[in-house]
Amino acid sequence: DTEVTQTPKHLVMGMTNKKSLKCEQHMGHRAMYWYKQKAKKPPELMFVYSYEKLSINESVPSRFSPECPNSSLLNLHLHALQPEDSALYLCASSQEKRRQGREAFFGQGTRLTVV
Amino acid sequence: AQSVSQHNHHVILSEAASLELGCNYSYGGTVNLFWYVQYPGQHLQLLLKYFSGDPLVKGIKGFEAEFIKSKFSFNLRKPSVQWSDTAEYFCAVISNFGNEKLTFGTGTRLTIIP
Repeated sequence: DTEVTQTPKHLVMGMTNKKSLKCEQHMGHRAMYWYKQKAKKPPELMFVYSYEKLSINESVPSRFSPECPNSSLLNLHLHALQPEDSALYLCASSQEKRRQGREAFFGQGTRLTVV
Repeated sequence: AQSVSQHNHHVILSEAASLELGCNYSYGGTVNLFWYVQYPGQHLQLLLKYFSGDPLVKGIKGFEAEFIKSKFSFNLRKPSVQWSDTAEYFCAVISNFGNEKLTFGTGTRLTIIP
């Protein structure tokens, strides 16, 4: 099973709302990622969790708050977002394997619209 | 810090033409290299990856890529493109050890004209 599942697929929220994006993988991967992708642009790294600890925060505004409750789950809590935060939010996971290196698997993404 | 550059921003080809998309990376250590494809409105899919061994790697849908260590390059090729190859193509790099940051290039938009 090489799948990363993200919910919801689409989300529309107001600027005063609080919402959460969820990501789940059952491949036993120990690294999980949040990326933000604007139309016709590459994914931009937001956060990396390694062994359930936040290892990289790419200077993301505090209105985005990641959480890794366990090794299979990754959440992104959203609060007081701006319209410019509208984008596709991608979750990924990766694992280092002997003789195979690292490979990241991506979910289908949550298309977020902030109104 | 690692970085990836893709020189071709938009490539337009006719069906059956040959394709080569450039990718250069900057990183001092051992890396894994990837090409991802994103069809319009869809998520990222892995086309192929290089870890070690044979520098010529074959992926899905008839794509291949060659890792040239001396040039820090990992160019994507396909001998004969199809209209269905129209998509955005991203090169990416991740360190083999330590930092788990997967870094993407800016992407190349490929348009195939029937």
